[in-house]
Amino acid sequence: AQRVTQPEKLLSVFKGAPVELKCNYSYSGSPELFWYVQYSRQRLQLLLRHISRESIKGFTADLNKGETSFHLKKPFAQEEDSAMYYCALIRSGTYKYIFGTGTRLKVLA
Amino acid sequence: DAMVIQNPRYQVTQFGKPVTLSCSQTLNHNVMYWYQQKSSQAPKLLFHYYDKDFNNEADTPDNFQSRRPNTSFCFLDIRSPGLGDAAMYLCATSRGAGAGANVLTFGAGSRLTVL
Repeated sequence: AQRVTQPEKLLSVFKGAPVELKCNYSYSGSPELFWYVQYSRQRLQLLLRHISRESIKGFTADLNKGETSFHLKKPFAQEEDSAMYYCALIRSGTYKYIFGTGTRLKVLA
Repeated sequence: DAMVIQNPRYQVTQFGKPVTLSCSQTLNHNVMYWYQQKSSQAPKLLFHYYDKDFNNEADTPDNFQSRRPNTSFCFLDIRSPGLGDAAMYLCATSRGAGAGANVLTFGAGSRLTVL
């Protein structure tokens, strides 16, 4: 069965420390993977997607097909990064997204 | 400049009293989705439309129905809400084709309380 796993419900780091939010997936085909973010009192929005291979707000994520992972990383966390982060996968040929349960990132001053 | 607008933002209903939630979009996206999100859980897809083609998830209860009368609007009808239907309901859209086809644009959500 297709599944997206985010093992950490809450991750607290100090400002300036590196951040890694873990995401593992199980999927038999070629997935399209995303990170979505929800800041306090804002709507869910796209942070980045693996096919773009971009860096957004200092965050990057690399798809590792061998480890079936798509971890989100940032070398130096900022307080404004505090938010809920969801990893998501879409099954190729469909419009069905599978979301992870999310990781709440708290960046402490 | 909200591009996916959900109404109402907060809805309180009584057990068994029908509820309709609405979603409108100004993006001219082909695909519209309804998700249910309960506290500390992942958004769960209820159904989606590609244009007028309706796609129901196998585990979406019959109590939940949807209508898409035109490209811009989509409605979620809950015929007889139970206490377990209290949740945040998220509407989202995507292009469905072309560049960024699968990128979701979300509304702010409608929070349903069932008394």
